[in-house]
Amino acid sequence: DTEVTQTPKHLVMGMTNKKSLKCEQHMGHRAMYWYKQKAKKPPELMFVYSYEKLSINESVPSRFSPECPNSSLLNLHLHALQPEDSALYLCASSQVFRDRLNYGYTFGSGTRLTVV
Amino acid sequence: RKEVEQDPGPFNVPEGATVAFNCTYSNSASQSFFWYRQDCRKEPKLLMSVYSSGNEDGRFTAQLNRASQYISLLIRDSKLSDSATYLCVFLDSNYQLIWGAGTKLIIKP
Repeated sequence: DTEVTQTPKHLVMGMTNKKSLKCEQHMGHRAMYWYKQKAKKPPELMFVYSYEKLSINESVPSRFSPECPNSSLLNLHLHALQPEDSALYLCASSQVFRDRLNYGYTFGSGTRLTVV
Repeated sequence: RKEVEQDPGPFNVPEGATVAFNCTYSNSASQSFFWYRQDCRKEPKLLMSVYSSGNEDGRFTAQLNRASQYISLLIRDSKLSDSATYLCVFLDSNYQLIWGAGTKLIIKP
């Protein structure tokens, strides 16, 4: 299994809603990432989990709350989002974080989020 | 100067032609380099890593020039399915991926 699975694929939520994005991988990777991508822009790193611990938070607003329940799962909890948070949210994984022998990241197909 | 610079394109290329992109980077401590491909409204997918000695995978050839701080991607015998955005990515000294903005390639029949 060489996939990263994200659900849901599409999500429309109001500014007062609470929702969660889910990400799952069974490749034995110990680093998992959340990225945000706006149209015609490269992905922007949000969070990094290494061995289920939060390693990097790129100054992301608290309305985004990550969670890593185990080595295969990564969630992103959303609350009180703004319309400008509408974007493609990508989950990725890699063998380990901060490994010079980096073999690249595997990305999920993303959740296209629209905040109304 | 941006950390990674790419020509955004689009490059309009006839099917069967050879096309090449360059990508310059400013951080001389960069350790690892990659080309990712992203189709419209899809996730980025790793196309190939870029090794110091240069490497080839079928119709694709990647090269690294550390002295001039750029990497390149050459696509031979281009196919319609090669149409995509090609993102240059490197791993910085903090082991974080630094992304270029991408080069859009359109292969025309």
